[in-house]
Amino acid sequence: NAGVTQTPKFQVLKTGQSMTLQCAQDMNHNSMYWYRQDPGMGLRLIYYSASEGTTDKGEVPNGYNVSRLNKREFSLRLESAAPSQTSVYFCASRAETGLAGGSDTQYFGPGTRLTVL
Amino acid sequence: SQQGEEDPQALSIQEGENATMNCSYKTSINNLQWYRQNSGRGLVHLILIRSNEREKHSGRLRVTLDTSKKSSSLLITASRAADTASYFCATKNYGNNRLAFGKGNQVVVIP
Repeated sequence: NAGVTQTPKFQVLKTGQSMTLQCAQDMNHNSMYWYRQDPGMGLRLIYYSASEGTTDKGEVPNGYNVSRLNKREFSLRLESAAPSQTSVYFCASRAETGLAGGSDTQYFGPGTRLTVL
Repeated sequence: SQQGEEDPQALSIQEGENATMNCSYKTSINNLQWYRQNSGRGLVHLILIRSNEREKHSGRLRVTLDTSKKSSSLLITASRAADTASYFCATKNYGNNRLAFGKGNQVVVIP
């Protein structure tokens, strides 16, 4: 199993450009998450999806949109990138409690390093 | 909002020594988790402790939870150079699917 994969690994954008960050998981998890990580700030939740077809705002949703394309894929879109969105973006998925052998932990992708000039 | 708060922020120790880091939180929790992040990589889950548990072990890791003080500690015994990483605590409240992460502890183990 590949776990959680993210593309691209690195991206440089100019202010105002748009782009979509891709995330996929092969663990059959229902829940998926997008975080951003900034120096000294820990991880902050942007959006999450509890199941296919549903999405909810997290702590810092402004300037972002998401799509839960199917159970495997959860994409994050920046419609008009701003320098304040320079960050490392992580996608994660979660195994739910109650499932046989399941737990409440999250599994993270390797991250996308985004720079907005 | 951020709930976990780790203390201290940075720790430098010699290989073989023990490393202890603390985390405090503000509201009632369902469970508390610790994650490790190596430089330039994603987070990796280390250990989960539920609100009705007081102590848990996994290999060289020992985590404690004091719900009356709303705090947790992570102890890494007999540290190795490979333990050099950032360590984050994360709390999960009842009734939602989200984790609130702390700002992280940077641990450097000197060979």
